[in-house]
Amino acid sequence: GNSVTQMEGPVTLSEEAFLTINCTYTATGYPSLFWYVQYPGEGLQLLLKATKADDKGSNKGFEATYRKETTSFHLEKGSVQVSDSAVYFCALSPGSARQLTFGSGTQLTVLP
Amino acid sequence: ETGVTQSPTHLIKTRGQQVTLRCSSQSGHNTVSWYQQALGQGPQFIFQYYREEENGRGNFPPRFSGLQFPNYSSELNVNALELDDSALYLCASSFNPSSYEQYFGPGTRLTVT
Repeated sequence: GNSVTQMEGPVTLSEEAFLTINCTYTATGYPSLFWYVQYPGEGLQLLLKATKADDKGSNKGFEATYRKETTSFHLEKGSVQVSDSAVYFCALSPGSARQLTFGSGTQLTVLP
Repeated sequence: ETGVTQSPTHLIKTRGQQVTLRCSSQSGHNTVSWYQQALGQGPQFIFQYYREEENGRGNFPPRFSGLQFPNYSSELNVNALELDDSALYLCASSFNPSSYEQYFGPGTRLTVT
C-alpha cells in the first residue's frame, strides 16, 4: 500500500535559519506529491505540489523536488520566519488529490 | 468567496451513541472528502462524495457513512461510537475528483467518553 514517512519533530529554528523537513514515500506507480501546512486553529492548506518526477513545487519561499530515484520529496526554505511556525504534512495521491495519504506531520517552531 | 465550513466545532459523545457532522463546500466545488485526524497523526482518508455518490473509500468500517446533498454540502455519520473514534474530523472540497487541490475546513473535534 501507499505510505509517507516524515522526519519526527518538533523542529525548533531561529528566524532566518535554513529549513529542511525530510519526506520519503512508498507507492505503486507514479503518485502526485504534496506538502500541506496547518496553522494553529485552521484547516490544512496546500503549500505546494509536484505531479511527476523531477518536478519542483514552490510557494512562499518553500521548495520541494520530486525525486523518484530516492522516493523523496523534502521540503526546504532558505530563511524561515516566525510566521512559518505550523505543522507541515507531506502527502501523496495515486493520481489527482482524490485520496490523499498523509505523513504524521512535523511541528515547526521558529523563534525570533 | 466562502470557504469550507464545518459544524459543530466541538462535540462530546458517549460510547455507543451516533453522531452527525456537517460540512459546507466552497462555492463551485462538487466534490467532498472526509478525513479523520487522530491526535499527533496525519489525516486518514475516510471517503469521497461526487455528485451525491460515494466515489472512493478508505479503510474505515461501514458504521462510517456519508451523504452529499444537491447543493454539494455533506454529512458524515458515525454509528456505535468507540473511544478510538475521538479525533479531529476534516472535510475538504474540490472542483471535481480530478482536481489536485483540496480546500480543507477547520474541522470538528469529536470526543468519545
